[in-house]
Amino acid sequence: AQSVAQPEDQVNVAEGNPLTVKCTYSVSGNPYLFWYVQYPNRGLQFLLKYITGDNLVKGSYGFEAEFNKSQTSFHLKKPSALVSDSALYFCAVRPVTGGGNKLTFGTGTQLKVEL
Amino acid sequence: GAGVSQSPSNKVTEKGKDVELRCDPISGHTALYWYRQSLGQGLEFLIYFQGNSAPDKSGLPSDRFSAERTGGSVSTLTIQRTQQEDSAVYLCASSSSGSMVGELFFGEGSRLTVL
Repeated sequence: AQSVAQPEDQVNVAEGNPLTVKCTYSVSGNPYLFWYVQYPNRGLQFLLKYITGDNLVKGSYGFEAEFNKSQTSFHLKKPSALVSDSALYFCAVRPVTGGGNKLTFGTGTQLKVEL
Repeated sequence: GAGVSQSPSNKVTEKGKDVELRCDPISGHTALYWYRQSLGQGLEFLIYFQGNSAPDKSGLPSDRFSAERTGGSVSTLTIQRTQQEDSAVYLCASSSSGSMVGELFFGEGSRLTVL
């Protein structure tokens, strides 16, 4: 069975500093990996995905994520955080083959960016 | 409409009553998902529809939960004899294809409170 771990319930960062939100996964075979963001009282929005190819994936709002197969990780990063980045972030995985099309999500990490 | 539409946005019901939650996906999207979001639990997969194929019901927590998708478009999630532990936000998402790796587009959810 596939699973996702987001070890930090909350990450606090000062505006202008780099941010990292951690994600590790477990899946049979190769993964498709995703990050989604949820702003207060809103649905989830897609940020970026890793399918194949370059391990560094760039997405919306200046976010990027690095796929590391040996460490089974897909950490979300941004060079310079903004207060408006404060939101709940979810990592998700599905296997390339098998497992149907079910996307498995982590428990989420609350990002708080302060002035 | 332009996005995934869910109704009602909020529902308060008494324990033991039945509830129906509706999802209207993005026009043309063949894949439709239901997830449940509980505080501190992340997103829990419930059910997945893809075209005319048999739905993946592997995430439904009990036989009190059922879902249907009529005409390959609108979906209804039904919870019978609601319990307090059913209180959560129920999220619907659609995708343009189930066999390719496309991102999910989420609605804003239906918040269910069981008293």
